[in-house]
Amino acid sequence: DAGVIQSPRHEVTEMGQEVTLRCKPISGHDYLFWYRQTMMRGLELLIYFNNNVPIDDSGMPEDRFSAKMPNASFSTLKIQPSEPRDSAVYFCASSLSGSGGEQYFGPGTRLTVT
Amino acid sequence: SQQGEEDPQALSIQEGENATMNCSYKTSINNLQWYRQNSGRGLVHLILIRSNEREKHSGRLRVTLDTSKKSSSLLITASRAADTASYFCAPRNTGNQFYFGTGTSLTVIP
Repeated sequence: DAGVIQSPRHEVTEMGQEVTLRCKPISGHDYLFWYRQTMMRGLELLIYFNNNVPIDDSGMPEDRFSAKMPNASFSTLKIQPSEPRDSAVYFCASSLSGSGGEQYFGPGTRLTVT
Repeated sequence: SQQGEEDPQALSIQEGENATMNCSYKTSINNLQWYRQNSGRGLVHLILIRSNEREKHSGRLRVTLDTSKKSSSLLITASRAADTASYFCAPRNTGNQFYFGTGTSLTVIP
Protein backbone atom coordinates (compact mmCIF):
# COMPACT_ATOMS: atom_id res chain seq x y z
CA ASP A 1 0.00 0.00 0.00
CA ALA A 2 1.24 3.50 -0.78
CA GLY A 3 0.29 4.85 2.62
CA VAL A 4 -1.51 8.13 3.22
CA ILE A 5 -0.89 10.54 0.39
CA GLN A 6 -0.99 14.29 0.79
CA SER A 7 -0.64 17.04 -1.76
CA PRO A 8 0.90 19.44 -2.21
CA ARG A 9 3.94 18.82 -0.02
CA HIS A 10 4.73 22.50 0.13
CA GLU A 11 2.48 25.48 -0.45
CA VAL A 12 3.44 29.13 -0.35
CA THR A 13 0.65 31.63 -0.77
CA GLU A 14 -0.17 35.22 -0.06
CA MET A 15 -2.47 36.36 2.68
CA GLY A 16 -6.08 36.39 1.55
CA GLN A 17 -5.72 33.59 -0.97
CA GLU A 18 -7.63 30.35 -0.83
CA VAL A 19 -5.64 27.23 0.01
CA THR A 20 -6.76 23.65 -0.56
CA LEU A 21 -4.92 20.71 0.94
CA ARG A 22 -5.64 17.21 -0.25
CA CYS A 23 -5.47 13.79 1.31
CA LYS A 24 -5.91 10.23 0.12
CA PRO A 25 -6.24 7.79 3.03
CA ILE A 26 -5.13 4.20 3.05
CA SER A 27 -7.59 2.07 1.15
CA GLY A 28 -10.10 0.41 3.47
CA HIS A 29 -9.54 2.76 6.38
CA ASP A 30 -12.76 4.28 7.68
CA TYR A 31 -11.39 7.07 9.84
CA LEU A 32 -9.64 10.18 8.57
CA PHE A 33 -8.05 12.89 10.68
CA TRP A 34 -6.67 16.34 9.94
CA TYR A 35 -4.00 17.79 12.24
CA ARG A 36 -2.02 21.01 12.34
CA GLN A 37 1.46 21.20 13.84
CA THR A 38 3.31 24.32 14.92
CA MET A 39 6.16 24.91 17.32
CA MET A 40 3.97 26.99 19.58
CA ARG A 41 0.90 24.76 19.76
CA GLY A 42 2.25 21.33 18.98
CA LEU A 43 0.04 18.84 17.15
CA GLU A 44 -3.62 19.86 17.14
CA LEU A 45 -6.53 17.74 15.97
CA LEU A 46 -8.67 19.86 13.66
CA ILE A 47 -11.40 17.47 12.51
CA TYR A 48 -12.02 13.82 11.95
CA PHE A 49 -14.36 11.77 9.77
CA ASN A 50 -15.83 8.31 10.10
CA ASN A 51 -17.17 6.71 6.94
CA ASN A 52 -16.94 10.10 5.21
CA VAL A 53 -19.06 11.84 7.85
CA PRO A 54 -17.53 14.60 10.00
CA ILE A 55 -17.70 13.48 13.61
CA ASP A 56 -15.87 16.16 15.55
CA ASP A 57 -14.83 19.51 14.12
CA SER A 58 -14.36 21.27 17.44
CA GLY A 59 -10.67 21.74 16.67
CA MET A 60 -11.29 23.78 13.55
CA PRO A 61 -9.98 27.20 14.55
CA GLU A 62 -12.41 29.44 12.68
CA ASP A 63 -14.97 29.60 9.93
CA ARG A 64 -12.17 30.23 7.49
CA PHE A 65 -11.37 26.52 7.77
CA SER A 66 -13.55 23.87 6.17
CA ALA A 67 -13.06 20.18 5.45
CA LYS A 68 -14.88 17.74 3.22
CA MET A 69 -14.74 14.07 2.47
CA PRO A 70 -16.81 13.42 -0.66
CA ASN A 71 -15.82 9.75 -0.80
CA ALA A 72 -13.80 7.15 1.05
CA SER A 73 -10.63 7.87 -0.87
CA PHE A 74 -10.39 11.65 -0.80
CA SER A 75 -10.57 14.55 1.62
CA THR A 76 -9.80 18.25 1.42
CA LEU A 77 -9.00 20.92 3.96
CA LYS A 78 -9.66 24.42 2.73
CA ILE A 79 -8.61 27.74 4.20
CA GLN A 80 -10.32 30.82 2.81
CA PRO A 81 -9.04 33.46 3.22
CA SER A 82 -5.61 32.42 4.45
CA GLU A 83 -3.67 34.40 7.04
CA PRO A 84 0.01 34.33 8.08
CA ARG A 85 -0.90 32.66 11.39
CA ASP A 86 -2.17 29.67 9.41
CA SER A 87 1.42 28.84 8.50
CA ALA A 88 2.05 25.34 9.81
CA VAL A 89 2.48 21.74 8.75
CA TYR A 90 -0.86 20.06 8.11
CA PHE A 91 -1.07 16.30 8.50
CA CYS A 92 -3.69 13.88 7.39
CA ALA A 93 -3.96 10.49 9.07
CA SER A 94 -6.20 7.47 8.64
CA SER A 95 -7.08 4.48 10.75
CA LEU A 96 -9.22 1.36 10.70
CA SER A 97 -11.93 0.84 13.29
CA GLY A 98 -11.39 -2.22 15.43
CA SER A 99 -7.64 -2.05 14.98
CA GLY A 100 -6.96 -0.37 18.30
CA GLY A 101 -6.93 2.99 16.63
CA GLU A 102 -3.39 3.06 15.25
CA GLN A 103 -3.18 6.08 13.01
CA TYR A 104 -1.14 6.21 9.83
CA PHE A 105 0.12 9.65 9.00
CA GLY A 106 0.84 11.23 5.67
CA PRO A 107 4.05 13.18 5.03
CA GLY A 108 2.32 16.50 5.67
CA THR A 109 1.85 19.73 3.76
CA ARG A 110 4.04 22.62 4.82
CA LEU A 111 1.97 25.78 4.37
CA THR A 112 3.54 29.21 4.38
CA VAL A 113 1.27 32.25 4.17
CA THR A 114 3.11 35.52 3.51
CA SER B 1 -7.31 17.88 29.15
CA GLN B 2 -7.48 14.58 27.32
CA GLN B 3 -4.02 14.82 25.90
CA GLY B 4 -0.95 12.99 27.00
CA GLU B 5 1.86 15.03 28.43
CA GLU B 6 5.39 13.82 27.86
CA ASP B 7 8.33 14.31 30.17
CA PRO B 8 11.09 15.36 29.76
CA GLN B 9 10.60 17.82 26.94
CA ALA B 10 14.12 17.14 25.70
CA LEU B 11 16.61 14.35 26.30
CA SER B 12 20.17 13.97 25.07
CA ILE B 13 22.10 10.72 25.51
CA GLN B 14 25.11 8.91 24.12
CA GLU B 15 24.69 6.13 21.60
CA GLY B 16 24.33 2.79 23.37
CA GLU B 17 22.65 4.26 26.45
CA ASN B 18 19.00 3.69 27.32
CA ALA B 19 16.40 6.43 26.92
CA THR B 20 13.32 6.70 29.09
CA MET B 21 10.38 8.95 28.36
CA ASN B 22 7.30 9.37 30.49
CA CYS B 23 3.70 10.20 29.75
CA SER B 24 0.90 11.30 32.04
CA TYR B 25 -2.77 11.61 31.20
CA LYS B 26 -6.00 12.48 33.00
CA THR B 27 -8.90 10.44 31.63
CA SER B 28 -9.75 6.76 31.58
CA ILE B 29 -8.32 5.05 28.54
CA ASN B 30 -8.88 2.05 26.33
CA ASN B 31 -5.28 1.99 25.21
CA LEU B 32 -2.22 4.17 24.98
CA GLN B 33 -0.01 4.47 21.94
CA TRP B 34 3.45 5.83 21.30
CA TYR B 35 4.49 7.51 18.09
CA ARG B 36 7.78 8.74 16.69
CA GLN B 37 8.30 11.74 14.45
CA ASN B 38 11.51 12.27 12.57
CA SER B 39 12.28 15.84 11.59
CA GLY B 40 10.13 16.95 8.68
CA ARG B 41 8.10 13.75 8.59
CA GLY B 42 4.73 12.51 9.72
CA LEU B 43 4.24 10.51 12.89
CA VAL B 44 4.89 6.79 12.85
CA HIS B 45 3.11 4.38 15.16
CA LEU B 46 5.51 2.49 17.43
CA ILE B 47 3.55 0.46 19.93
CA LEU B 48 0.13 0.11 21.54
CA ILE B 49 -0.57 -1.02 25.09
CA ARG B 50 -4.09 -1.83 26.20
CA SER B 51 -5.54 -0.66 29.49
CA ASN B 52 -5.45 -4.19 30.92
CA GLU B 53 -1.77 -4.64 30.11
CA ARG B 54 1.09 -3.52 32.31
CA GLU B 55 4.08 -4.02 30.06
CA LYS B 56 4.76 -4.63 26.42
CA HIS B 57 7.88 -5.17 24.36
CA SER B 58 8.70 -4.62 20.71
CA GLY B 59 12.30 -5.04 19.69
CA ARG B 60 14.32 -2.46 21.64
CA LEU B 61 11.16 -0.77 22.89
CA ARG B 62 9.59 -1.44 26.25
CA VAL B 63 6.38 0.27 27.31
CA THR B 64 4.82 0.19 30.75
CA LEU B 65 1.39 1.38 31.80
CA ASP B 66 0.14 2.19 35.28
CA THR B 67 -3.55 3.03 35.05
CA SER B 68 -3.78 3.77 38.77
CA LYS B 69 -1.25 6.56 38.31
CA LYS B 70 -2.43 7.41 34.80
CA SER B 71 1.08 7.18 33.49
CA SER B 72 3.15 5.34 30.94
CA SER B 73 6.81 5.11 30.11
CA LEU B 74 8.71 4.29 26.94
CA LEU B 75 12.15 2.78 27.23
CA ILE B 76 14.46 2.54 24.25
CA THR B 77 17.38 0.27 24.97
CA ALA B 78 20.82 0.45 23.36
CA SER B 79 19.96 3.67 21.58
CA ARG B 80 21.25 4.48 18.12
CA ALA B 81 21.76 7.75 16.30
CA ALA B 82 18.78 6.80 14.11
CA ASP B 83 16.54 6.94 17.20
CA THR B 84 16.94 10.72 17.22
CA ALA B 85 13.37 11.99 16.86
CA SER B 86 10.43 13.35 18.81
CA TYR B 87 8.30 10.86 20.68
CA PHE B 88 4.62 11.35 21.45
CA CYS B 89 2.22 9.43 23.61
CA ALA B 90 -1.43 9.23 22.65
CA PRO B 91 -3.89 8.05 25.27
CA ARG B 92 -7.05 6.81 23.59
CA ASN B 93 -10.33 7.09 25.47
CA THR B 94 -13.64 5.56 24.46
CA GLY B 95 -13.80 7.85 21.47
CA ASN B 96 -11.53 7.45 18.51
CA GLN B 97 -9.60 10.67 18.60
CA PHE B 98 -6.18 11.37 20.02
CA TYR B 99 -4.90 14.52 21.60
CA PHE B 100 -1.16 14.44 21.27
CA GLY B 101 1.10 16.24 23.71
CA THR B 102 4.12 18.30 22.78
CA GLY B 103 6.41 15.31 22.75
CA THR B 104 9.87 14.46 24.00
CA SER B 105 12.71 15.46 21.72
CA LEU B 106 15.38 12.75 21.88
CA THR B 107 18.90 13.32 20.61
CA VAL B 108 21.25 10.37 20.45
CA ILE B 109 24.85 11.46 20.11
CA PRO B 110 27.06 9.09 18.06
